[in-house]
Amino acid sequence: GAGVSQSPSNKVTEKGKDVELRCDPISGHTALYWYRQSLGQGLEFLIYFQGNSAPDKSGLPSDRFSAERTGGSVSTLTIQRTQQEDSAVYLCASSDGVANSPLHFGNGTRLTVT
Amino acid sequence: RKEVEQDPGPFNVPEGATVAFNCTYSNSASQSFFWYRQDCRKEPKLLMSVYSSGNEDGRFTAQLNRASQYISLLIRDSKLSDSATYLCVVSFYNQGGKLIFGQGTELSVKP
Repeated sequence: GAGVSQSPSNKVTEKGKDVELRCDPISGHTALYWYRQSLGQGLEFLIYFQGNSAPDKSGLPSDRFSAERTGGSVSTLTIQRTQQEDSAVYLCASSDGVANSPLHFGNGTRLTVT
Repeated sequence: RKEVEQDPGPFNVPEGATVAFNCTYSNSASQSFFWYRQDCRKEPKLLMSVYSSGNEDGRFTAQLNRASQYISLLIRDSKLSDSATYLCVVSFYNQGGKLIFGQGTELSVKP
């Protein structure tokens, strides 16, 4: 079946604009994760969903970042008033939520704030 | 202290060498452990899960030491195609199940 799908694959935006990133997980996967990866850096945890609820939002860098998930499926990550330091690859991953289940990643959205 | 820490890289080794990576984690309640591989400008992909008794997959061996809170990855007979960044991943089920990645260790296998 289809893997994790993210859109857009690339996004260039001007500083101060809002952006919305979309993630469509593998069908039936209850757990959904957002990570951010800056060039040459590791993966920074942003937020995690189990179903539609987010048990852990501790990784969101500021109140400009928000995420939601509806219908236990598609998730959107919104960044308001983007700043240059928001430039990174935003990776979404899903799993079936069972202990020891691995993550399946999408190809990511490369965000560039000019 | 970071929740998950890895050996600093890069590791530069010749083909055929054996190389080992370590990863330490801070939360004793951690329950699931994985090694992922990430190629340049690609998304991470699961290499192997790490089980309590240790496990092997071909040239790759993973070990878990709960008492000392570290996991390891051993690669035998390194191939050029093993060149990548290796990411240690730990779950924190007492924090709602989030999975935390280490910063990664870069491996470069040379002819």
